[in-house]
Parts: sequence; structure tokens; C-alpha cells
Amino acid sequence: KNEVEQSPQNLTAQEGEFITINCSYSVGISALHWLQQHPGGGIVSLFMLSSGKKKHGGLIATINIQEKHSSLHITASHPRDSAVYICAVSPLIQGAQKLVFGQGTRLTINP
Amino acid sequence: DGGITQSPKYLFRKEGQNVTLSCEQNLNHDAMYWYRQDPGQGLRLIYYSQIVNDFQKGDIAEGYSVSREKKESFPLTVTSAQKNPTAFYLCASSPLLRDGYTFGSGTRLTVV
Repeated sequence: KNEVEQSPQNLTAQEGEFITINCSYSVGISALHWLQQHPGGGIVSLFMLSSGKKKHGGLIATINIQEKHSSLHITASHPRDSAVYICAVSPLIQGAQKLVFGQGTRLTINP
Repeated sequence: DGGITQSPKYLFRKEGQNVTLSCEQNLNHDAMYWYRQDPGQGLRLIYYSQIVNDFQKGDIAEGYSVSREKKESFPLTVTSAQKNPTAFYLCASSPLLRDGYTFGSGTRLTVV
């Protein structure tokens, strides 16, 4: 079993729909990251969370440390949100901030 | 603007040849990382470095080598010993004592 599990693996929705992507992890962490990867391959960091909730534009990320679970919400989806969304955690280890990644959720928003 | 530059974006090599992927950052980050991404799989750590002239193996280091002669640069060599080198390679950097993970745009390596 992977240390970081995302669901769903693929998601297709219509423009304007409310989107939720889930991430569960099995190790103690110092932080959780939500990343966005567009078809060209480059990765952009959306959020880094250690507790509570963060919001940026139409994106909301929440984390429940006790339940080892995080969600990424897109409140009013748009075709430009089509991308792969990746959850990654920073395990509680000393040293460099090595990340453990989920497999990603491929989101397609149709106009 | 600060960031990470990976070059080239696409790279083709013949089987049996070594190839070096470039990664440069101007963020003054202490730590740098190389990840490999295969279709349907999460990113996997190849090597990382926390300080100049020091680096550590990640989960899939076999067939790869790195150097960290300068803080800004962390090149990755894919050697002929790597059994399945065709993949997408991502470089990243971060500060050591605070948050701020930054990724490069990646290099897609195809070995024929």
C-alpha cells in the first residue's frame, strides 16, 4: 500500500462544477503539499499545509492531521483548471525535506 | 525572478550512452533533489543534496550519479547502467530550515 493515496485517479466535470480531490496518508508528517502539473510537465506548488485550511482564488485546501486526510476543492471549475493534481507529504524525518508523492488525480474540465 | 532552470526540455540518446541533465537554481536554496516520474506512478526520489559537496541516495539511485560542486547546480547523469532510463525527470529545491519547495519544468529523456 502506498504511503500517500489519492482519489479519484481520474475526474471529468463540466465547467462551473465544485470539485473535490482527496488525499490520505499513513505516516506522521510535518507538512502536506498540493501540486499542479500541466501537460507540459512542469509542477507548480499550490499549497503547503500543516493544519487547518488555506484558500487562494477558487482553490481551497484542508487538512485533518488526526485523520491523516486532506482535500483540495475547486469552487467554480474552469477548463484552465484541467491538470494533474498531486498530493505530497513531508514525513517527520530529520534532514532534507524529502517528499513522498501520491499518484496524482487527472482532472478534465469540459466547457 | 528566482527559480529553477532545467535543460534541455527534451533529450534523446542512444542506448548505452551516458547523458547529463542540468539543474540550476538562483533561489539560494540549500537542498536540491532529483525525481523521476513514470506514467501512472508518483514521483520517486533519485538523489538529494543538503549542502555543497555532499549528496545522498534516494529510493531509486541505481544507474544514476550526481555532483554538487556549487550551491546553484545539481546535475544528474543517467548512466548506461540504468536499465530503463526513458522517463520524465524533475529537479526541485528547498530551504533546509523553512518551507518553500520549488520545482523545475522537467526534462523528458527518451533512450532509443
